[in-house]
Amino acid sequence: SAVISQKPSRDICQRGTSLTIQCQVDSQVTMMFWYRQQPGQSLTLIATANQGSEATYESGFVIDKFPISRPNLTFSTLTVSNMSPEDSSIYLCSVEDLLVAGSQETQYFGPGTRLLVL
Amino acid sequence: GQQVMQIPQYQHVQEGEDFTTYCNSSTTLSNIQWYKQRPGGHPVFLIQLVKSGEVKKQKRLTFQFGEAKKNSSLHITATQTTDVGTYFCAGPNTGFQKLVFGTGTRLLVSP
Repeated sequence: SAVISQKPSRDICQRGTSLTIQCQVDSQVTMMFWYRQQPGQSLTLIATANQGSEATYESGFVIDKFPISRPNLTFSTLTVSNMSPEDSSIYLCSVEDLLVAGSQETQYFGPGTRLLVL
Repeated sequence: GQQVMQIPQYQHVQEGEDFTTYCNSSTTLSNIQWYKQRPGGHPVFLIQLVKSGEVKKQKRLTFQFGEAKKNSSLHITATQTTDVGTYFCAGPNTGFQKLVFGTGTRLLVSP
């Protein structure tokens, strides 16, 4: 399985500022995913980051608020822009890992970035 | 859109008691996956079920995929304090190659 690291692990930010979260994988992967997990809630997919093309955003998430970069096959960043207290969440990156040929990919998650916006 | 619901939302048991969480999808799934998230941690993949009616076991954990491939269950026999966490089921969104996570069941085990 892939080893995924995220930076920062946690941060406290002031409203109106922006934070960039980094995700590093120890192997080359085609797709990387960014999720948000609000306190006590389930995981919600923000966007899918593909190398060499623009990220694909889910309904309710826009590029101006959550710009994503994917410069190579092992790295991605997610920026949370113009933050408000409602952005306080855990932000998780993940990658797919094909179990066996013909099966559906499963997700391996990074340790997450815990963000508190004051 | 596709929805995946889990019940119960929360359960508190005494160590040694059994525990079951149920997962229901609004659409038929090609497969169902289960993840565990420890308090303060990140989701960790547990297992994947693909076939209708499939049952898989991991030590004290038993996973089942419904005949109609729209529901699933996770049963833990004789819970231990190490079982504490939130259990999520997840299924692929039809045609879009992404996972939709269930609402989760939080398990608390008292010694």
